[in-house]
Amino acid sequence: GQNIDQPTEMTATEGAIVQINCTYQTSGFNGLFWYQQHAGEAPTFLSYNVLDGLEEKGRFSSFLSRSKGYSYLLLKELQMKDSASYLCAVWYLRAAGNKLTFGGGTRVLVKP
Amino acid sequence: DGGITQSPKYLFRKEGQNVTLSCEQNLNHDAMYWYRQDPGQGLRLIYYSQIVNDFQKGDIAEGYSVSREKKESFPLTVTSAQKNPTAFYLCASSKSGTQQSAYEQYFGPGTRLTVT
Repeated sequence: GQNIDQPTEMTATEGAIVQINCTYQTSGFNGLFWYQQHAGEAPTFLSYNVLDGLEEKGRFSSFLSRSKGYSYLLLKELQMKDSASYLCAVWYLRAAGNKLTFGGGTRVLVKP
Repeated sequence: DGGITQSPKYLFRKEGQNVTLSCEQNLNHDAMYWYRQDPGQGLRLIYYSQIVNDFQKGDIAEGYSVSREKKESFPLTVTSAQKNPTAFYLCASSKSGTQQSAYEQYFGPGTRLTVT
């Protein structure tokens, strides 16, 4: 299979920084996405990494190490509205069909 | 505005009944997907379609069926054979090809199905 592991839940204080880690199986890897999902709503796209390194987009940054099968999403200057689940998803190339495989999601709770 | 619509947002059915969830997109995307999400869980792929009149099973296709007669539409039927149908169902679409734009999926608002 293509196990994608991320922590179940994290808690942080408003204004702080939180780092959400994601590890994945590297065979067939062709790119990694981070999505944000508020409760009861659809996931929305945050970032895409296919090369090693850090991609910065405002308060959110995403890092990838392909050799280690590791990524993280960094949320800076946390705001209350950042309370949501964050989904790590990997695009795998497979003979049986390419597909996006999701991790279980990390629920982030931002406290005042 | 371009986007994906799913209706209804909430759906209630009795056990033993088949139910069809609608998904429509006007993004001109070739590929469409159905996912299931259980409380506190990630998304699991049910079925996907890369082109009209063709679709493939995902990881949890048992008890579900789909059709892709039009590019814009990809309805999902939850049959009575699905043992635990109560869940949040998400439809998504993407472009085709080998660039990032082909991998990035756009999601509909979801349908929460409750079967009692």
